[in-house]
Amino acid sequence: QKEVEQDPGPLSVPEGAIVSLNCTYSNSAFQYFMWYRQYSRKGPELLMYTYSSGNKEDGRFTAQVDKSSKYISLFIRDSQPSDSATYLCAMSDLYGGATNKLIFGTGTLLAVQP
Amino acid sequence: EAQVTQNPRYLITVTGKKLTVTCSQNMNHEYMSWYRQDPGLGLRQIYYSMNVEVTDKGDVPEGYKVSRKEKRNFPLILESPSPNQTSLYFCASSIKRTSEQFFGPGTRLTVL
Repeated sequence: QKEVEQDPGPLSVPEGAIVSLNCTYSNSAFQYFMWYRQYSRKGPELLMYTYSSGNKEDGRFTAQVDKSSKYISLFIRDSQPSDSATYLCAMSDLYGGATNKLIFGTGTLLAVQP
Repeated sequence: EAQVTQNPRYLITVTGKKLTVTCSQNMNHEYMSWYRQDPGLGLRQIYYSMNVEVTDKGDVPEGYKVSRKEKRNFPLILESPSPNQTSLYFCASSIKRTSEQFFGPGTRLTVL
C-alpha cells in the first residue's frame, strides 16, 4: 500500500464549478500537508500548506485536513480554465523531516472547460 | 528573479554514457533535493543536501551520484545510465528544512 493515495483523474469540470480534490494517507505521523500545482512542462509550485487538522483558505482555494480519517482535501471555487493543471498532494512528518523529503501523491489531472 | 534552473531540459542518451544534469538556485538556499517523477509513482526523492559538502540518500538513490561543492549548485550525475532511469527529474531547494520547497522546471531524460 502506498503511503499516499490520490485519484489520478482526469477530472473535467465546466468553468465556474466547485472542484474537490482529495488524498488519503496511512502514516499517522504526518503533520504537514501541502498542495502543489503543476502545469504541463513545469515544475510543481506550492499552493497551500496546513499543519495538523483544520481548514485554511486562500482566495478561491480551501485546504482541509482530517487527521482522524487520514484524509485531506483541496477545494477550488469558481474554477477557471487557468486552473487546468495537475494537482499534487504532499505531506511530511516534520515539513520534510530529517531528509527534507516530501511524500507526494501521484497527482490529479484537472481540466476546466470554458 | 528568484528561481531554480536545470540544464538540459531534454536529453536523449544511450545506455552507459555518463551524463550530468545541472541544478542551480539563486536564492541562497541551504537545502536542495533531487526528485524523479514517474507515471503512477509520483515524485520520489533521489538525494538531498543540507549544505555544502553535506549530502545523503533519499528513497531511490541507486544509479545516481550528487555533489555540493558550492551552495548554489547541486548536479545530478548518472555514471552509467540505464533505461529504467528514463524519467522526469526535478531539482528543488528551500531556505531551511522547515520551509517551502521551490522546484526547477524539470529535465526529461530518455535512456535508450
